[in-house]
Amino acid sequence: DQQVKQNSPSLSVQEGRISILNCDYTNSMFDYFLWYKKYPAEGPTFLISISSIKDKNEDGRFTVFLNKSAKHLSLHIVPSQPGDSAVYFCAASLFGNEKLTFGTGTRLTIIP
Amino acid sequence: EPEVTQTPSHQVTQMGQEVILRCVPISNHLYFYWYRQILGQKVEFLVSFYNNEISEKSEIFDDQFSVERPDGSNFTLKIRSTKLEDSAMYFCARSVGTDTQYFGPGTRLTVL
Repeated sequence: DQQVKQNSPSLSVQEGRISILNCDYTNSMFDYFLWYKKYPAEGPTFLISISSIKDKNEDGRFTVFLNKSAKHLSLHIVPSQPGDSAVYFCAASLFGNEKLTFGTGTRLTIIP
Repeated sequence: EPEVTQTPSHQVTQMGQEVILRCVPISNHLYFYWYRQILGQKVEFLVSFYNNEISEKSEIFDDQFSVERPDGSNFTLKIRSTKLEDSAMYFCARSVGTDTQYFGPGTRLTVL
């Protein structure tokens, strides 16, 4: 089941610069997308979400962009901080359906 | 958002034994979920629970798994006869509606 893919297993970014994490999906019926951040030995922490009726959602340093035609979403973190170092998962769901389908994650390392 | 709590944080068991993992969500939450993450793999949906009934389950959630909310507070996942491949992090999640899910810290299950 590869409906949600994160093709970059890791990403390193200098502190203060922009981090861009990417996610692709294959199921065009997905209409709600979320990003979670995960530290080792902890549960996923919700960051930001976007519904399919929007193409952008912003919350502080975090912005999620959705390109429905390309079935692609991205998470921008500006400026990147050392505490942002973690594994980031994108997830998707169908309207009214509780199941979240996760990507494989991207390990983000912020270099001081 | 307040988190759910999960107990135990780490459970070690022998193959074939039964285990019960517990989740204590906030009482006004209606939707509860179990997910698991095998080491190095993606987070996978197991089951969703609404109004004291299973509302959806994955193909992973076979007859050896069961969920219940026996006393209106604790939400439990029981694995009747554990197998080596059940070793994973198990996450409980909750939501008010069928949108953003908030995860607990997880229980690490080790089957020997």
